Amino acid sequence: DSGVTQTPKHLITATGQRVTLRCSPRSGDLSVYWYQQSLDQGLQFLIQYYNGEERAKGNILERFSAQQFPDLHSELNLSSLELGDSALYFCASSVATGETGNTIYFGEGSWLTVV
Amino acid sequence: AQKVTQAQTEISVVEKEDVTLDCVYETRDTTYYLFWYKQPPSGELVFLIRRNSFDEQNEISGRYSWNFQKSTSSFNFTITASQVVDSAVYFCALSEWYGGSQGNLIFGKGTKLSVKP
Repeated sequence: DSGVTQTPKHLITATGQRVTLRCSPRSGDLSVYWYQQSLDQGLQFLIQYYNGEERAKGNILERFSAQQFPDLHSELNLSSLELGDSALYFCASSVATGETGNTIYFGEGSWLTVV
Repeated sequence: AQKVTQAQTEISVVEKEDVTLDCVYETRDTTYYLFWYKQPPSGELVFLIRRNSFDEQNEISGRYSWNFQKSTSSFNFTITASQVVDSAVYFCALSEWYGGSQGNLIFGKGTKLSVKP
């Protein structure tokens, strides 16, 4: 158990719909990352938050948005869903401080199927 | 630009064989971090090891060992006496230090290891 909690584990939704994925980081971790894993694109970085502020953006579509709340949990919102958004979405967390580096731990992922 | 290359897409071995998974990285930063993760068929990403750019010591953990060579920008992973339970996709990843915090992971495409009994 990595200590990173993601909900829901599985969801099936229709095209055009909107879903929210939730992530609770490990206790004490300030940074939250979101990744998308699809068969054709591999593991793609979407976005990183550090202590409530957006830190870095990757290949995140405009239809997707995220935020990190004061209690450090994070949500990834996916809207106007398309079939191609079907993927495994991972949340990860890290302390992210200390130049000696920190381990980045992943949750079990949320399997999204768009039909 | 950062990049991680895992040239081996799939490897198949017979149980008890040793196997090495290759990882080559590119970065312009002097401070960076290298990781290996395991993704079993169940899908979760399991952390295996983290290495800092200023620590070139090799590491051994049971049947697992890692060889970090800055001169060749490589961070290879060896499994000794492989077992069926080692069957998984293994990812090498790189993150950098910037602006006072550790950045996101850049992943290689992964190597699928199949260990046959």
